[in-house]
Amino acid sequence: DAKTTQPPSMDCAEGRAANLPCNHSTISGNEYVYWYRQIHSQGPQYIIHGLKNNETNEMASLIITEDRKSSTLILPHATLRDTAVYYCIVRVLQAGTALIFGKGTTLSVSS
Amino acid sequence: DAGVIQSPRHEVTEMGQEVTLRCKPISGHNSLFWYRQTMMRGLELLIYFNNNVPIDDSGMPEDRFSAKMPNASFSTLKIQPSEPRDSAVYFCASSPGLYIQYFGAGTRLSVL
Repeated sequence: DAKTTQPPSMDCAEGRAANLPCNHSTISGNEYVYWYRQIHSQGPQYIIHGLKNNETNEMASLIITEDRKSSTLILPHATLRDTAVYYCIVRVLQAGTALIFGKGTTLSVSS
Repeated sequence: DAGVIQSPRHEVTEMGQEVTLRCKPISGHNSLFWYRQTMMRGLELLIYFNNNVPIDDSGMPEDRFSAKMPNASFSTLKIQPSEPRDSAVYFCASSPGLYIQYFGAGTRLSVL
């Protein structure tokens, strides 16, 4: 699986958009970008995933650059409950394969 | 569905004792994963099963660790004998297939 690089920490004001970047310059053509987050003391939670098109769901939006070497997770209106560690993971779409977690980005949302 | 259920939520034991962690995956999911999380090493995969068969156990730290999945609705992770360096949060996750893994709340293990 391709390696990802994320900033260790970011701050965001409540109500503002949080834009979390991820660099995956060695991504292969068949690898997807996944985002998970882990709120303190809880298990990781799936947020969104994508291959090359931008994706949006009820939680967030995922913007993938045209060359697929980087992506941005967008939380449009961050709340205090969005304070968590956010993990960007790149992996092939294959049944029953494990997730390889890096250090992620600690997002702190403050009022 | 109640989600992935792990038990116990907290376990405190003494060095040398046997520890058994339990996991009930979401019904219908055919993949099950065990992860361990520490401050030093972060989240790391220990082992995973597809259709109750162990696929990759390369993350199991040593022979003191063993995992079983006797049926589609139950898995155990056993540490025997336990050591203080095994203290961590152990997560179980299950997946219905390609996209999403659903994690349990974890078991916080403290070995004294």
